[in-house]
Amino acid sequence: QVQLQQSGAELVKPGSSVKISCKASGYTFTSYDMHWIKQQPGNGLEWIGWIYPGNGNTKYNQKFNGKATLTADKSSSTAYMQLSSLTSEDSAVYFCARGELRRANWFAYWGQGTLVTVSS
Amino acid sequence: DIVLTQSPALAVSLEQRATISCKTSQNVDNYGISYMHWYQQKPGQQPKLLIYEGSNLASGIPARFSGSGSGTDFTLTIDPVEADDIATYYCQQSKDYPRTFGGGTKLELK
Repeated sequence: QVQLQQSGAELVKPGSSVKISCKASGYTFTSYDMHWIKQQPGNGLEWIGWIYPGNGNTKYNQKFNGKATLTADKSSSTAYMQLSSLTSEDSAVYFCARGELRRANWFAYWGQGTLVTVSS
Repeated sequence: DIVLTQSPALAVSLEQRATISCKTSQNVDNYGISYMHWYQQKPGQQPKLLIYEGSNLASGIPARFSGSGSGTDFTLTIDPVEADDIATYYCQQSKDYPRTFGGGTKLELK
């Protein structure tokens, strides 16, 4: 069965960077986009971007250009998102989600989320 | 960006029908397919896919859930509402980048 297992919660200082992971299993990792979505406490969902692990192609929400960097390791079927120059506005739960193969590309599978807390 | 607008909350009685709406700032249909999807999220959990392409029931989702609409007006219906359905519901469009979500509708018990 398809599973997306994310790394654990992070407490990081303002101005630093953090890299969170999403390990995929149960399907061919290189054949599906992996998307990342942000959810601030008590708020809605915000799409950050996707990476296609097959060739490393990425697409970002312009709002996150320079903030988020998406990478993928085919050998371990793991997608990564690095967040840089962290501020309190980056404190949120971050989800990875697999994009379906159809053009409509919905999110049928989600990771459990990684809480990032930015605090001195 | 395509803006998706949902009412923040809806109060409903158990065993009654709940109708949750989502209005988009642009048409999200293309060649007969609605690029509109619905998710359920409970506190502390990841979102769960309910409906894809406007009206298709996702795998394992009870038939109490249904989706309808086209263009710029979409509806998620839960009939009848059960206690386990108390959650927040989000619509999401994939017609254009960036992908965007509605603000969510919190389903509450009357």
